Amino acid sequence: DADVTQTPRNRITKTGKRIMLECSQTKGHDRMYWYRQDPGLGLRLIYYSFDVKDINKGEISDGYSVSRQAQAKFSLSLESAIPNQTALYFCATSDPGEFYGYTFGSGTRLTVV
Amino acid sequence: KQEVTQIPAALSVPEGENLVLNCSFTDSAIYNLQWFRQDPGKGLTSLLLIQSSQREQTSGRLNASLDKSSGRSTLYIAASQPGDSATYLCAVSFFTSGTYKYIFGTGTRLKVLA
Repeated sequence: DADVTQTPRNRITKTGKRIMLECSQTKGHDRMYWYRQDPGLGLRLIYYSFDVKDINKGEISDGYSVSRQAQAKFSLSLESAIPNQTALYFCATSDPGEFYGYTFGSGTRLTVV
Repeated sequence: KQEVTQIPAALSVPEGENLVLNCSFTDSAIYNLQWFRQDPGKGLTSLLLIQSSQREQTSGRLNASLDKSSGRSTLYIAASQPGDSATYLCAVSFFTSGTYKYIFGTGTRLKVLA
């Protein structure tokens, strides 16, 4: 099994719908992150969490919310999806014991129509 | 403000060639630098992580170097193979506002021709 698992792998949704992307990890890392990737723009940080009680906004948090249900689980929600949220979404983890190096999930390709 | 640049954006080379991918950053006060590989539509796989106190790291045919003073890192791939075709991204970690943050470059898309 992958260290960081994202579900679903692909999703098509309609404008205005609420959608949740899920991430779970088996690495035992406290730090978890949500990024989106758009062609030509690289990866941009949406939200991050350093433990279950710690949630922080990244550079592009508007229109998104997150929930850290447990050390191993970090979910990203789009409250009311819009077409410019069409992107590839990645979850990642890091840990001081690994010099904060990132481990990424395989990504969720989200299309909002 | 920390910025990370990768040039060129795309590169095609014949199989067997040794090649160098470049990553530059504007603020030398980094904690570490990480190189990733991304296959089309897939996740990012970590290749090498260089701590700020290190000058280079090696894994198989890959060697990454770090020169903080000049704000540069290079990823050297020896004897390239078609299977090396992917997008290579670098990311720089630095301490700001009480925490560590990563900034990613936009990547170099490599194609190795058989």
